[in-house]
Amino acid sequence: GEDVEQSLFLSVREGDSSVINCTYTDSSSTYLYWYKQEPGAGLQLLTYIFSNMDMKQDQRLTVLLNKKDKHLSLRIADTQTGDSAIYFCAERSNQAGTALIFGKGTTLSVSS
Amino acid sequence: DGGITQSPKYLFRKEGQNVTLSCEQNLNHDAMYWYRQDPGQGLRLIYYSQIVNDFQKGDIAEGYSVSREKKESFPLTVTSAQKNPTAFYLCASSPRTGGRNTEAFFGQGTRLTVV
Repeated sequence: GEDVEQSLFLSVREGDSSVINCTYTDSSSTYLYWYKQEPGAGLQLLTYIFSNMDMKQDQRLTVLLNKKDKHLSLRIADTQTGDSAIYFCAERSNQAGTALIFGKGTTLSVSS
Repeated sequence: DGGITQSPKYLFRKEGQNVTLSCEQNLNHDAMYWYRQDPGQGLRLIYYSQIVNDFQKGDIAEGYSVSREKKESFPLTVTSAQKNPTAFYLCASSPRTGGRNTEAFFGQGTRLTVV
């Protein structure tokens, strides 16, 4: 079945880099996504990567994609306390139209 | 401003009652979705609709129903058959564009509590 796996918690100090990892199941996924959720709110798209890319950089965010291992990571440079949130990795479902399948989310806690 | 609106933000329901959660979008998206979020469970797909007057069950459709009479609207009814309805419900929409990017846009969620 379809499954997206993430570690559940990550704790870092302000100014450090954070790396959130994800593994996905569908090797035919064309786009892979990272979403951020702040407490009590909906999900906000942070970035996405097309499957023919190995890396995408957007300001403090770097996404790395290893298609062979079906591994996706999100690196946040110079992590700030405002980055504390839940981060979700997602791939497009191959069983439910254009719906996205999400991991359980990684809670990032940033201490000052 | 284009966006997706869920209402109400908080909802309380007595056991045995049906309740309807509203979701409206003005992004001209064909596809709409309902997800349920529980602590430590991530998002699970309840129902999705690729086009008006058509919808499909997701992974956890039991105890829920939907309609899609208008492109802009995709209301979710939580029925009394749903055994554990207390959760955070998220509605989303996206373009239905085949192999192109189908980034989903989310509403702010409705927190349903059964009392």
